[in-house]
Amino acid sequence: DAGVIQSPRHEVTEMGQEVTLRCKPISGHNSLFWYRQTMMRGLELLIYFNNNVPIDDSGMPEDRFSAKMPNASFSTLKIQPSEPRDSAVYFCASSTPNTGELFFGEGSRLTVL
Amino acid sequence: DQQVKQNSPSLSVQEGRISILNCDYTNSMFDYFLWYKKYPAEGPTFLISISSIKDKNEDGRFTVFLNKSAKHLSLHIVPSQPGDSAVYFCAASAVGGNNDMRFGAGTRLTVKP
Repeated sequence: DAGVIQSPRHEVTEMGQEVTLRCKPISGHNSLFWYRQTMMRGLELLIYFNNNVPIDDSGMPEDRFSAKMPNASFSTLKIQPSEPRDSAVYFCASSTPNTGELFFGEGSRLTVL
Repeated sequence: DQQVKQNSPSLSVQEGRISILNCDYTNSMFDYFLWYKKYPAEGPTFLISISSIKDKNEDGRFTVFLNKSAKHLSLHIVPSQPGDSAVYFCAASAVGGNNDMRFGAGTRLTVKP
């Protein structure tokens, strides 16, 4: 079975532009998580969904960030407008409630100039 | 709020010796703890876990110790190998809660030949 699939792997954009990151969780997993990795704070939880419903978005830095999960096989994380301080690696992960283990995608490296 | 803390950003050990990575947490509701390993340009991958009903879990060269009273856990790698060089993240969750998982900032382990 394919793992968690994220796209794009790399994104370079200019300040003020809209950025959309995409994630396809592992089939059958009903929880999906968005994390951001930075040098200072490591892996920060931005938002997570259970059964496509956002449960906790308290980690979303600002109103510029939004996330959606229209169905069980797809989620997006959008930044509009993007700023240089948003530069980081964004990870998507999925899980089932019984395992307690997260499976991560390979990440999307975002650079905002 | 950093509910999971890894105070050592880096650790260097000689091949064949023991590596000890430490992690502290503040949320007493956490009852499931995990260690993830991350290589450059890859997503974190699950390494080993422990539930709060145990104080030790061993898997080959990897052992995780949990001290609930001190809210502290550690990962021991014996013997350390150059292939163990990676960033190690400590994570914690409350299994009976909303399934979110919090990560520490990570410790970069370098095992020298």
